[in-house]
Amino acid sequence: GAGVSQSPRYKVAKRGQDVALRCDPISGHVSLFWYQQALGQGPEFLTYFQNEAQLDKSGLPSDRFFAERPEGSVSTLKIQRTQQEDSAVYLCASSPQPDRHYSSGANVLTFGAGSRLTVL
Amino acid sequence: AQSVTQLGSHVSVSEGALVLLRCNYSSSVPPYLFWYVQYPNQGLQLLLKYTSAATLVKGINGFEAEFKKSETSFHLTKPSAHMSDAAEYFCAVRTGNQFYFGTGTSLTVIP
Repeated sequence: GAGVSQSPRYKVAKRGQDVALRCDPISGHVSLFWYQQALGQGPEFLTYFQNEAQLDKSGLPSDRFFAERPEGSVSTLKIQRTQQEDSAVYLCASSPQPDRHYSSGANVLTFGAGSRLTVL
Repeated sequence: AQSVTQLGSHVSVSEGALVLLRCNYSSSVPPYLFWYVQYPNQGLQLLLKYTSAATLVKGINGFEAEFKKSETSFHLTKPSAHMSDAAEYFCAVRTGNQFYFGTGTSLTVIP
């Protein structure tokens, strides 16, 4: 598609529910990132995929968070047993090149509009 | 560890006045630096990027930023603010796989 698409845009969950957030990156983009943006804060890195491989998941805050990108395109961020502190905007971003090309400056992130999660 | 500090969480300027948003970074290696803008209920949009080609970088919408290694700064400026510039601005540094974002500066433009 023309841009990075995320769904749902808004999700309200009761504490303890599981949620799944979807990201459709720009077609052909190799790299995909998930970020968490709490209210009044900058985006915080969660995880990074190169094609279907999850190369870095160091930012996932707990084992309740799980991300996948099985076919190297669409990605899903799943949060199990949601807690109130999980309330945030979850941003997905993609870029065309894998990390080894970043020195060319080509690795600019294109962000989706985000999925706002509110846990009650 | 890499980090970005944005001084001033809120900046107000009059329409037509100079915009200056401050960003300082810490990086153990030559950084790749970015400014992103976020309008309400939208994702982040790239304004400009520094990738060592030139220290003065021009971006979209009349914004520019100057990389000053001696000051470890990458401040964002615009000579004349427009009402449409009101938004949240984020400075970011990239090393390896990760982008590290500042906490953001909210720009208000007063008519």
